[in-house]
Amino acid sequence: GAVVSQHPSWVICKSGTSVKIECRSLDFQATTMFWYRQFPKQSLMLMATSNEGSKATYEQGVEKDKFLINHASLTLSTLTVTSAHPEDSSFYICSASPRDNYGYTFGSGTRLTVV
Amino acid sequence: GQNIDQPTEMTATEGAIVQINCTYQTSGFNGLFWYQQHAGEAPTFLSYNVLDGLEEKGRFSSFLSRSKGYSYLLLKELQMKDSASYLCAVREDDYKLSFGAGTTVTVRA
Repeated sequence: GAVVSQHPSWVICKSGTSVKIECRSLDFQATTMFWYRQFPKQSLMLMATSNEGSKATYEQGVEKDKFLINHASLTLSTLTVTSAHPEDSSFYICSASPRDNYGYTFGSGTRLTVV
Repeated sequence: GQNIDQPTEMTATEGAIVQINCTYQTSGFNGLFWYQQHAGEAPTFLSYNVLDGLEEKGRFSSFLSRSKGYSYLLLKELQMKDSASYLCAVREDDYKLSFGAGTTVTVRA
């Protein structure tokens, strides 16, 4: 089945530093990947849609200069949290669909803790 | 935009049946998904409905009524490992998924 690999699974960083999260589709090409954020006991909130070879589309309220998304190839998308602050601590998850009319495959998630 | 509502918590006994309801309002419906999520893990796909009716897959079934903006996920023969959060997600015409807040199901022995 379709697999999306996400790294790192967890990261602790100091306030003010940047963190990069990678998502790779291992056995299919993902022209579009989605990035979500999930706070404890809350649902997944879509942050942005990552399109291969073009700029990401951000949801309302998500700062594009803070959450940098790069989709350089059909199998790799990265999310960089710049100048991280404690309020950015969350569970970040990517997803992609191998086909337009089927379920989305999620990465394993990244637990970010900013101290 | 869309509003997706599902109960916050449900508790059931091992071997029983539980039905999780989901209501939604959306401008451009393009399918409804159910996912299972264990704490600290990514969601895993359970079912997909785009046409009205019931989809059955083993112990799990999902129903959709587009005219009513309503879906349910039915879990039969509950097992302890079914204790998790169940997420209802609606896809719109732009292929974005919007999630409900999730229903935490606790299975008791």
